[in-house]
Formats: sequence, C-alpha cells, structure tokens
Amino acid sequence: GNSVTQMEGPVTLSEEAFLTINCTYTATGYPSLFWYVQYPGEGLQLLLKATKADDKGSNKGFEATYRKETTSFHLEKGSVQVSDSAVYFCALRWIQGAQKLVFGQGTRLTINP
Amino acid sequence: DSGVTQTPKHLITATGQRVTLRCSPRSGDLSVYWYQQSLDQGLQFLIHYYNGEERAKGNILERFSAQQFPDLHSELNLSSLELGDSALYFCASSGTRGNTGELFFGEGSRLTVL
Repeated sequence: GNSVTQMEGPVTLSEEAFLTINCTYTATGYPSLFWYVQYPGEGLQLLLKATKADDKGSNKGFEATYRKETTSFHLEKGSVQVSDSAVYFCALRWIQGAQKLVFGQGTRLTINP
Repeated sequence: DSGVTQTPKHLITATGQRVTLRCSPRSGDLSVYWYQQSLDQGLQFLIHYYNGEERAKGNILERFSAQQFPDLHSELNLSSLELGDSALYFCASSGTRGNTGELFFGEGSRLTVL
C-alpha cells in the first residue's frame, strides 16, 4: 500500500541549529508530496509541496526536494528558531483518483533558546 | 485562517453518547475530508465527500457516519462513544479550480469521552 514513514520524534534542538526531518514514502506512480505543520492548539497548515521528481519546495526557510530515486522528501532548515517549535507531518497525495492525503506519524520539534 | 470552519471546538461527553461535528469548507470547495488525530495513531483518514457524494472511506468505524449537504457543509456523527474515541477530529477541504493537491484544514474539534 501507499505509506509515509517519518523520522521518529521528539526532536529537540537549540536555536540556530540545522534541522533535518527525514521522510520516505512507498507509492505506486508519482504522487505529490507535502509537508504540513501543526503549531500548538492549531490545525494543520501547508508548509511546502512538490509535485514531481526533483522539484524543490520551499517556504519560511524550510526546503524539501522530491527524490524519486530514494523515494524521499526530507525537510531541512539551516537555522531554526524558537517559533519553529511544532509538529511536522510529511504527506503524499495523488491528484487523480483517490485524493486523500496519506500522512506520516508526525515529528514533534522543540527549539530551545 | 484556512477558510475551513469547524464546530464545536471542544466537546466533552460520556461513553455511550452520540455527538455531531460540523464542518464548513472553504467557499467553492466541493471536497470535504475528515481525519482523526489521536496521540498514538497520528492522523487517520476517515472519509471523503465530493459534492454530496461519498468518494472514499478510510478507517472509519461503523459507529461513525458522515454526510455532505447540498450547501456543501459536512457533518460527522459519532455514536455509542467509547473512551478510545477521544481525539481531535479535523475537517479539510479542497477545490477543483487550480487544484494543486493542497488540503485546507480547519482547527479541529477536540472530543473528550469520559
């Protein structure tokens, strides 16, 4: 089946540290890939996305590249801030057919000042 | 603000009871999705409606049902509630215009079953 596997958390870093949250997927065909972020007490918000192989999604200093050869979509940020503390979800979706988002388990990130 | 509205935000009830969660999608969005988020299960897809018709079912219990009305709002009905049904229930919507695959999520309805 189609699934997403994320790096297990929680992850705790100091401010200005480099962040990587690993995400790999199993899917037939070429789904679109997403990172969603959930801040405390809020719903999920789209952080970035990529719709085809080698695309790089970026937003708010975060980046992720759609790697078909390694079926990965790792999230990176060069210098994290306390305000980046949240839960991050990797997800995949096909635009045609079954259009649901399939989520990873989520990774809780805490940034200490 | 995603444009997706969910009510109520919080709900506390007892085992065996029935509740209804409501979702208003973004203006013009025809698709509504329901997800359940619990501490140990992550985000689980429950059901998808498109323009009033059920399109896909996920891990939705038989005690749960949903529908989408002509005005496109949706309701998720949870009955014979059990302690394990305590969770955050999210609604999301998406449209067909310029569809890039993104789902827009509401802030969720937190259900506590005592």
